[in-house]
Amino acid sequence: GAVVSQHPSRVICKSGTSVKIECRSLDFQATTMFWYRQFPKQSLMLMATSNEGSKATYEQGVEKDKFLINHASLTLSTLTVTSAHPEDSSFYICSASTGNTIYFGEGSWLTVV
Amino acid sequence: KQEVTQIPAALSVPEGENLVLNCSFTDSAIYNLQWFRQDPGKGLTSLLLIQSSQREQTSGRLNASLDKSSGRSTLYIAASQPGDSATYLCAVQAGTALIFGKGTTLSVSS
Repeated sequence: GAVVSQHPSRVICKSGTSVKIECRSLDFQATTMFWYRQFPKQSLMLMATSNEGSKATYEQGVEKDKFLINHASLTLSTLTVTSAHPEDSSFYICSASTGNTIYFGEGSWLTVV
Repeated sequence: KQEVTQIPAALSVPEGENLVLNCSFTDSAIYNLQWFRQDPGKGLTSLLLIQSSQREQTSGRLNASLDKSSGRSTLYIAASQPGDSATYLCAVQAGTALIFGKGTTLSVSS
């Protein structure tokens, strides 16, 4: 079964609203989780590293005020896309690692209309 | 900066053919290399993980090789089936995150 759960799997929101995506590690504690984004026909790109109890580390070019990451517990990280626009429509996926194994969530398809 | 390239971008083969997907990376200082499968609208499924000290890994009809010094990996799929149709992603790990290629979209016709 899945060890990293992501919710929702699909979400449609109106332009200008905010949407939250959750990433949960089910069988282990994850002090670090990662958020990726994939545009159509593009590679998965690392957006940010989510650190439990501290601020996330964002990759260059990713707006921290737009993509809010909260890692309030050892099993949950959330990504909030604020003031969403159609160009934010994408596939967002999280991962968490335990030992040397990296597990991915199922991903979330965001469509902003 | 590490870059991962996958060739070809798309591949169509008839059922039963053996095929090779290619992955290259620019920085040989990696911990491991992974191959993933992504079905349309779905998340990633890990297929094979090759540690930097290993040369290849096999799982069923899949065989992945790694030549770290030349920055190359191949994924060999034997006796392809329509159910193998998907996008195959190669990713290298240097640190705790993964750097992905753009993938090869495979279509196997029956």
